[in-house]
Amino acid sequence: SQTIHQWPATLVQPVGSPLSLECTVEGTSNPNLYWYRQAAGRGLQLLFYSVGIGQISSEVPQNLSASRPQDRQFILSSKKLLLSDSGFYLCAWSKGQTEAFFGQGTRLTVV
Amino acid sequence: AQSVTQPDIHITVSEGASLELRCNYSYGATPYLFWYVQSPGQGLQLLLKYFSGDTLVQGIKGFEAEFKRSQSSFNLRKPSVHWSDAAEYFCAVGAGTSYDKVIFGPGTSLSVIP
Repeated sequence: SQTIHQWPATLVQPVGSPLSLECTVEGTSNPNLYWYRQAAGRGLQLLFYSVGIGQISSEVPQNLSASRPQDRQFILSSKKLLLSDSGFYLCAWSKGQTEAFFGQGTRLTVV
Repeated sequence: AQSVTQPDIHITVSEGASLELRCNYSYGATPYLFWYVQSPGQGLQLLLKYFSGDTLVQGIKGFEAEFKRSQSSFNLRKPSVHWSDAAEYFCAVGAGTSYDKVIFGPGTSLSVIP
């Protein structure tokens, strides 16, 4: 069966520090991969999605970037975090024309 | 551009009462539609989905949703709410060339009064 791993679960980082959140999927190949952000009291904002290695689509211009170095690995990064980057980050995958399956999320607090 | 709206930010119902959560979408082609539920601090769990066929779809936990193309709606319903249904509910649409982009609505927070 397929599983998705996202870490860390919680992260507190100072303003101006770098960020790297990692997500991996097991049990499938060539999935679509997604990064969403959920700010407090708000819905899910699609940040990036990827349909293959090295293929990244950015939905919202901002301080973040994403990379897909391997088929089942999706990384969310920032060179310098802002206070406004705080939120709940969710990784997800889908395959073909199916629903998206979500990881457990990372709670990022920028202080 | 594709979009999803959920007009109700917050809904409060009494336990045992019926529930309807509204969802409207904007998409040029036939959409794939989903409802997810999120408990506090957790990831999202799929309640049900519509791809094609019968416009009334059944999901888990006693939920159902009806796709109405003429109204661009996909409302979620449950005949009798349980206290454990209190959570955040998200409607989503699969869009993009191969439906590879999943766009979510802003969510509806459900509170249940015992």
